[in-house]
Formats: sequence, C-alpha cells, structure tokens
Amino acid sequence: DAKTTQPNSMESNEEEPVHLPCNHSTISGTDYIHWYRQLPSQGPEYVIHGLTSNVNNRMASLAIAEDRKSSTLILHRATLRDAAVYYCILRVMFRGGGADGLTFGKGTHLIIQP
Amino acid sequence: DSGVTQTPKHLITATGQRVTLRCSPRSGDLSVYWYQQSLDQGLQFLIQYYNGEERAKGNILERFSAQQFPDLHSELNLSSLELGDSALYFCASSVGVASNIHNEQFFGPGTRLTVL
Repeated sequence: DAKTTQPNSMESNEEEPVHLPCNHSTISGTDYIHWYRQLPSQGPEYVIHGLTSNVNNRMASLAIAEDRKSSTLILHRATLRDAAVYYCILRVMFRGGGADGLTFGKGTHLIIQP
Repeated sequence: DSGVTQTPKHLITATGQRVTLRCSPRSGDLSVYWYQQSLDQGLQFLIQYYNGEERAKGNILERFSAQQFPDLHSELNLSSLELGDSALYFCASSVGVASNIHNEQFFGPGTRLTVL
C-alpha cells in the first residue's frame, strides 16, 4: 500500500494561513488523496479529497503537486477550533468507484496559538 | 453532530468477557465502518458492511465480529477480551458503496472500552 509521510506537529497563529504538507512518493494513478481531521475528544471528520487537480471547499483547499508525489492542505485563516490532528490518507479506487476503509497514519498535530 | 450515534459511551469490563457495541448510521446511509483507536496502534480500520453484507475487512481479530441488521444499525461484538483491547471504537457511515471513493465517512463519538 502506498504510504504517506507527514510532520508530527506544526504550530501556527490564529487568523493566519496554515499549510500542512504530505508526501506520498509511491502514489499510484488510481489513488485518491483524502484529508480527515480529529478534534480533541471527537471522531475524525472529513476535510477534503482530490485526484490530480487542486480542490477547494468551504473548509480548506487541497493543492496537489503535478507529479502527485506530494500535496498540501491549506487552511486559509486558522482559528482555535482548527487545532486537531490532520490525517493525509491515500485511497485506492476499486472498479465501480468503491473503496476500502480508511488507513490512518500518525497525522500532523496542528497547534494554533491565539 | 455527525448524525451517527454509538452506545454505550463508556464500557468497563474484565478480561475474558464479551461485549457488544452498537452503532446507528446517519439516516439514509447504507455503509457502516468500524475503527479501533488505541495509543500504540493509532486508528485502524476493522470492517465494513454495506446494506447488511460484509464488504471489506481490515485488521479485525478473529475474536471480533460484526453484523449489520435490516434497519441498518450495526453491532461490533468483542469476545475473550484482553487488556490490549482497551481502546476507543468508532463507527462511521457513508452513503453507499458505488462511488464510495468520493463519499465522506461520518464518524460517531466513539465507545471507550476499558478492559481490567
């Protein structure tokens, strides 16, 4: 299975942009890049996902390198509520569009300073 | 609130015992997933059900089993419990299987199991 590498922790200031990197040098052509986050004492929650093109939603942006060997999750204006563990996950798409369960790594612990 | 409910919130039991964890998916979701989160292993995918049938297996022990009922709620059964089974158990649900790669999983609040 293709693996992801993330920094153990990152620190940022409130109301500033945050760029969370993820390396996935062994990614294959059918692997989708998903991001989930886990707030303290809660279950994980979906953030964003993409295949090749950059993606935006109300929560974040996902920038995917042209060779797809790395990606960056961008929080445009961090708040204290964004303090969480962020997981970068590769998902293999089965024929027909299905996929297996999520394979979580250790993730990046994001600390937001007021 | 994700719309996924799990009961009980906390469970304390002894080694060798058997417990059942329950999960109700979001209304309309046909897929249910079970995950285990422990300090040493992190978050691990255990098993997935879709509309009552097992669809995918992860790192689920033989002592563990699950099922999904016609009303789509799911139960995770853990037997012959060991100290190492102490963990947070999360249930997640998503809309379906087809196009599942694009469907986000909604996680419940978890059940904290303590085995003494």
